[in-house]
Amino acid sequence: AQRVTQPEKLLSVFKGAPVELKCNYSYSGSPELFWYVQYSRQRLQLLLRHISRESIKGFTADLNKGETSFHLKKPFAQEEDSAMYYCALYNFNKFYFGSGTKLNVKP
Amino acid sequence: EPEVTQTPSHQVTQMGQEVILRCVPISNHLYFYWYRQILGQKVEFLVSFYNNEISEKSEIFDDQFSVERPDGSNFTLKIRSTKLEDSAMYFCASSPGTSYEQYFGPGTRLTVT
Repeated sequence: AQRVTQPEKLLSVFKGAPVELKCNYSYSGSPELFWYVQYSRQRLQLLLRHISRESIKGFTADLNKGETSFHLKKPFAQEEDSAMYYCALYNFNKFYFGSGTKLNVKP
Repeated sequence: EPEVTQTPSHQVTQMGQEVILRCVPISNHLYFYWYRQILGQKVEFLVSFYNNEISEKSEIFDDQFSVERPDGSNFTLKIRSTKLEDSAMYFCASSPGTSYEQYFGPGTRLTVT
């Protein structure tokens, strides 16, 4: 069965510090993994998709099939990065979301 | 840029009452979805809808739930007899096809008292 795990409910870092939001998944096939972000009082927005391998707002994520992980990273956090981040696995036209990590970037 | 909209933003209802949550998907989209997020928990898939019928539903989506596209623009989720555990944020999403490109609405917070 598909499952997405985000072990940290809250991650607090200072501005300029590196950030890594952890995501592990359980899936028997080839996963399609995504990161969604939800800023305060806003809707869920797609942040990035593993296949695109692009960097959005300075964030990157690498799929590690050996460790079944898809951690989200940013070398230098900004205050505007403060938000809820959800890792999600896409399968058969629906998403399986992790429980989310709240990132708090302190000035 | 077109967006998915949802009304109301917050609905308070008493246990046992019927509620209808409304969504207006993006106009040229063909697939519609409802997800639910109980406070502090993960966003969970409820149902997908295509061509005026349910294409898939989760085990959460029991007989108390129904979805409908009553006209060309609205997509509704009805809970026939609400329970306390139905209190959650309900997100509608739409996509142009069967792809990951699901666009989410802002959500409706349902509080059952």
